[in-house]
Amino acid sequence: DQQVKQNSPSLSVQEGRISILNCDYTNSMFDYFLWYKKYPAEGPTFLISISSIKDKNEDGRFTVFLNKSAKHLSLHIVPSQPGDSAVYFCAASARGSQGNLIFGKGTKLSVKP
Amino acid sequence: GAGVSQTPSNKVTEKGKYVELRCDPISGHTALYWYRQSLGQGPEFLIYFQGTGAADDSGLPNDRFFAVRPEGSVSTLKIQRTERGDSAVYLCASSPGTSGSNEQYFGPGTRLTVT
Repeated sequence: DQQVKQNSPSLSVQEGRISILNCDYTNSMFDYFLWYKKYPAEGPTFLISISSIKDKNEDGRFTVFLNKSAKHLSLHIVPSQPGDSAVYFCAASARGSQGNLIFGKGTKLSVKP
Repeated sequence: GAGVSQTPSNKVTEKGKYVELRCDPISGHTALYWYRQSLGQGPEFLIYFQGTGAADDSGLPNDRFFAVRPEGSVSTLKIQRTERGDSAVYLCASSPGTSGSNEQYFGPGTRLTVT
Protein backbone atom coordinates (compact mmCIF):
# COMPACT_ATOMS: atom_id res chain seq x y z
CA ASP A 1 0.00 0.00 0.00
CA GLN A 2 1.51 3.29 -1.13
CA GLN A 3 1.96 5.83 1.65
CA VAL A 4 2.89 8.65 -0.73
CA LYS A 5 0.86 9.00 -3.89
CA GLN A 6 1.38 11.12 -6.95
CA ASN A 7 -1.67 10.37 -9.03
CA SER A 8 -0.65 12.27 -12.15
CA PRO A 9 2.09 10.44 -14.06
CA SER A 10 2.58 13.43 -16.34
CA LEU A 11 1.82 17.13 -16.72
CA SER A 12 2.32 19.45 -19.67
CA VAL A 13 2.48 23.22 -19.20
CA GLN A 14 3.22 26.19 -21.40
CA GLU A 15 6.35 28.21 -20.65
CA GLY A 16 5.60 31.15 -18.37
CA ARG A 17 2.50 29.55 -16.87
CA ILE A 18 2.11 27.94 -13.45
CA SER A 19 2.90 24.26 -12.90
CA ILE A 20 1.07 22.58 -10.02
CA LEU A 21 2.21 19.14 -8.95
CA ASN A 22 0.16 17.28 -6.38
CA CYS A 23 0.94 14.69 -3.74
CA ASP A 24 -1.22 12.83 -1.22
CA TYR A 25 -0.11 10.81 1.78
CA THR A 26 -1.76 8.39 4.16
CA ASN A 27 0.60 8.15 7.13
CA SER A 28 -0.29 10.67 9.86
CA MET A 29 3.18 10.16 11.37
CA PHE A 30 4.82 11.98 8.46
CA ASP A 31 6.18 15.29 9.70
CA TYR A 32 8.59 16.40 7.00
CA PHE A 33 7.98 16.59 3.28
CA LEU A 34 10.36 17.17 0.41
CA TRP A 35 10.26 17.64 -3.35
CA TYR A 36 13.02 16.32 -5.57
CA LYS A 37 13.62 16.88 -9.26
CA LYS A 38 15.20 14.22 -11.41
CA TYR A 39 16.70 14.46 -14.88
CA PRO A 40 17.41 11.28 -16.89
CA ALA A 41 20.59 9.45 -15.86
CA GLU A 42 21.04 11.69 -12.82
CA GLY A 43 20.20 11.27 -9.17
CA PRO A 44 17.30 13.18 -7.60
CA THR A 45 18.11 16.79 -6.73
CA PHE A 46 16.59 18.39 -3.65
CA LEU A 47 14.25 21.28 -4.46
CA ILE A 48 12.28 22.39 -1.44
CA SER A 49 10.93 21.02 1.81
CA ILE A 50 8.30 21.78 4.43
CA SER A 51 7.85 20.80 8.04
CA SER A 52 4.42 19.75 9.27
CA ILE A 53 4.32 22.78 11.57
CA LYS A 54 4.06 25.03 8.52
CA ASP A 55 1.54 25.26 5.71
CA LYS A 56 3.66 27.07 3.15
CA ASN A 57 7.30 27.39 2.19
CA GLU A 58 8.59 29.50 -0.66
CA ASP A 59 11.95 29.56 -2.44
CA GLY A 60 12.16 31.68 -5.53
CA ARG A 61 9.88 30.29 -8.22
CA PHE A 62 9.02 27.26 -6.08
CA THR A 63 6.36 27.16 -3.37
CA VAL A 64 5.18 24.12 -1.45
CA PHE A 65 1.79 24.10 0.25
CA LEU A 66 0.82 21.61 2.94
CA ASN A 67 -2.77 20.81 3.94
CA LYS A 68 -2.46 18.47 6.92
CA SER A 69 -6.18 17.89 7.37
CA ALA A 70 -6.42 16.69 3.78
CA LYS A 71 -3.02 14.96 3.89
CA HIS A 72 -2.17 16.77 0.71
CA LEU A 73 0.74 18.84 -0.52
CA SER A 74 1.44 20.61 -3.75
CA LEU A 75 4.40 22.17 -5.50
CA HIS A 76 3.83 25.36 -7.48
CA ILE A 77 6.36 26.53 -10.05
CA VAL A 78 5.85 30.07 -11.30
CA PRO A 79 6.76 30.95 -13.97
CA SER A 80 7.52 27.59 -15.51
CA GLN A 81 10.60 27.34 -17.72
CA PRO A 82 11.64 24.69 -20.26
CA GLY A 83 14.56 23.76 -17.98
CA ASP A 84 12.03 22.70 -15.36
CA SER A 85 11.10 19.72 -17.53
CA ALA A 86 11.96 16.69 -15.40
CA VAL A 87 10.39 14.07 -13.15
CA TYR A 88 9.32 15.47 -9.79
CA PHE A 89 9.17 13.22 -6.74
CA CYS A 90 7.31 13.95 -3.54
CA ALA A 91 8.88 12.37 -0.45
CA ALA A 92 8.07 12.19 3.25
CA SER A 93 9.72 11.12 6.46
CA ALA A 94 8.02 10.04 9.66
CA ARG A 95 8.40 11.35 13.17
CA GLY A 96 10.65 8.95 15.02
CA SER A 97 12.14 7.47 11.89
CA GLN A 98 15.82 7.65 11.09
CA GLY A 99 15.11 10.04 8.27
CA ASN A 100 14.61 7.46 5.56
CA LEU A 101 12.36 8.91 2.90
CA ILE A 102 9.20 7.43 1.43
CA PHE A 103 8.81 8.50 -2.19
CA GLY A 104 5.88 8.77 -4.56
CA LYS A 105 6.13 7.39 -8.09
CA GLY A 106 6.84 10.79 -9.60
CA THR A 107 5.20 13.16 -12.06
CA LYS A 108 6.87 13.93 -15.37
CA LEU A 109 6.61 17.65 -16.07
CA SER A 110 7.03 18.95 -19.61
CA VAL A 111 7.28 22.70 -20.09
CA LYS A 112 6.76 23.68 -23.70
CA PRO A 113 8.35 26.82 -25.16
CA GLY B 1 32.32 21.03 -3.54
CA ALA B 2 32.17 17.41 -4.61
CA GLY B 3 28.81 15.73 -4.43
CA VAL B 4 27.93 12.12 -3.79
CA SER B 5 29.66 9.80 -6.23
CA GLN B 6 28.79 6.22 -7.09
CA THR B 7 30.73 3.58 -8.97
CA PRO B 8 30.29 1.92 -11.31
CA SER B 9 27.69 3.93 -13.20
CA ASN B 10 26.53 0.77 -14.97
CA LYS B 11 26.95 -2.88 -14.06
CA VAL B 12 25.80 -5.85 -16.08
CA THR B 13 26.08 -9.24 -14.40
CA GLU B 14 24.80 -12.73 -14.88
CA LYS B 15 22.16 -14.27 -12.67
CA GLY B 16 23.76 -15.89 -9.65
CA LYS B 17 26.85 -13.67 -9.56
CA TYR B 18 28.01 -11.41 -6.73
CA VAL B 19 28.19 -7.63 -7.15
CA GLU B 20 29.48 -4.69 -5.13
CA LEU B 21 28.30 -1.13 -5.56
CA ARG B 22 30.27 1.73 -4.07
CA CYS B 23 29.18 5.08 -2.68
CA ASP B 24 31.36 8.06 -1.73
CA PRO B 25 29.26 10.50 0.31
CA ILE B 26 29.79 14.22 0.66
CA SER B 27 32.75 14.84 2.93
CA GLY B 28 31.70 15.29 6.53
CA HIS B 29 28.21 13.83 6.10
CA THR B 30 27.61 11.31 8.86
CA ALA B 31 24.33 9.89 7.54
CA LEU B 32 24.31 7.66 4.47
CA TYR B 33 21.32 6.00 2.80
CA TRP B 34 20.88 3.42 0.07
CA TYR B 35 17.74 3.35 -2.08
CA ARG B 36 16.66 1.25 -5.04
CA GLN B 37 14.61 2.62 -7.93
CA SER B 38 12.83 0.30 -10.32
CA LEU B 39 11.40 1.45 -13.62
CA GLY B 40 8.34 3.67 -13.17
CA GLN B 41 8.71 3.78 -9.40
CA GLY B 42 10.11 6.20 -6.88
CA PRO B 43 13.23 5.35 -4.90
CA GLU B 44 12.66 2.73 -2.17
CA PHE B 45 14.65 2.82 1.05
CA LEU B 46 17.07 -0.01 1.69
CA ILE B 47 19.41 0.85 4.57
CA TYR B 48 20.62 3.80 6.64
CA PHE B 49 24.02 4.32 8.27
CA GLN B 50 24.84 6.79 11.00
CA GLY B 51 28.62 6.78 11.13
CA THR B 52 29.88 3.23 10.80
CA GLY B 53 26.80 1.43 12.05
CA ALA B 54 23.68 0.40 10.18
CA ALA B 55 21.01 2.21 12.17
CA ASP B 56 18.13 0.91 10.07
CA ASP B 57 18.30 -1.97 7.60
CA SER B 58 14.57 -2.63 7.49
CA GLY B 59 14.39 -1.94 3.75
CA LEU B 60 16.79 -4.68 2.66
CA PRO B 61 14.61 -7.14 0.72
CA ASN B 62 16.34 -10.32 1.91
CA ASP B 63 19.59 -11.70 3.25
CA ARG B 64 21.26 -11.62 -0.17
CA PHE B 65 21.67 -7.87 0.36
CA PHE B 66 24.27 -6.49 2.73
CA ALA B 67 25.97 -3.12 3.15
CA VAL B 68 28.98 -1.88 5.06
CA ARG B 69 30.55 1.45 5.95
CA PRO B 70 33.66 0.43 7.90
CA GLU B 71 35.26 3.85 8.36
CA GLY B 72 32.16 5.99 8.44
CA SER B 73 32.67 7.39 4.97
CA VAL B 74 32.61 5.17 1.86
CA SER B 75 29.88 2.53 1.78
CA THR B 76 29.57 -0.65 -0.25
CA LEU B 77 26.29 -2.38 -1.06
CA LYS B 78 26.82 -6.06 -1.68
CA ILE B 79 24.38 -8.37 -3.45
CA GLN B 80 24.92 -12.12 -3.46
CA ARG B 81 23.43 -14.63 -5.90
CA THR B 82 21.90 -11.88 -8.01
CA GLU B 83 18.47 -12.41 -9.53
CA ARG B 84 16.85 -10.74 -12.53
CA GLY B 85 14.47 -8.97 -10.18
CA ASP B 86 17.45 -7.15 -8.64
CA SER B 87 17.82 -5.12 -11.83
CA ALA B 88 17.27 -1.48 -10.90
CA VAL B 89 19.08 1.80 -10.29
CA TYR B 90 20.75 1.79 -6.89
CA LEU B 91 20.95 5.27 -5.40
CA CYS B 92 23.08 6.46 -2.53
CA ALA B 93 22.37 9.63 -0.56
CA SER B 94 24.08 11.42 2.29
CA SER B 95 23.09 14.11 4.73
CA PRO B 96 24.87 16.06 7.44
CA GLY B 97 23.02 14.07 10.06
CA THR B 98 22.01 17.17 11.96
CA SER B 99 18.57 17.31 13.49
CA GLY B 100 15.78 19.38 12.04
CA SER B 101 16.49 18.66 8.41
CA ASN B 102 16.17 15.48 6.45
CA GLU B 103 17.57 16.86 3.21
CA GLN B 104 19.41 14.10 1.48
CA TYR B 105 21.83 14.62 -1.38
CA PHE B 106 21.78 11.88 -3.96
CA GLY B 107 24.45 10.44 -6.19
CA PRO B 108 23.83 9.64 -9.87
CA GLY B 109 23.12 5.99 -9.13
CA THR B 110 24.41 2.65 -10.37
CA ARG B 111 22.27 0.96 -12.98
CA LEU B 112 22.41 -2.78 -12.29
CA THR B 113 21.26 -5.20 -14.97
CA VAL B 114 21.08 -8.89 -14.15
CA THR B 115 20.86 -11.07 -17.26
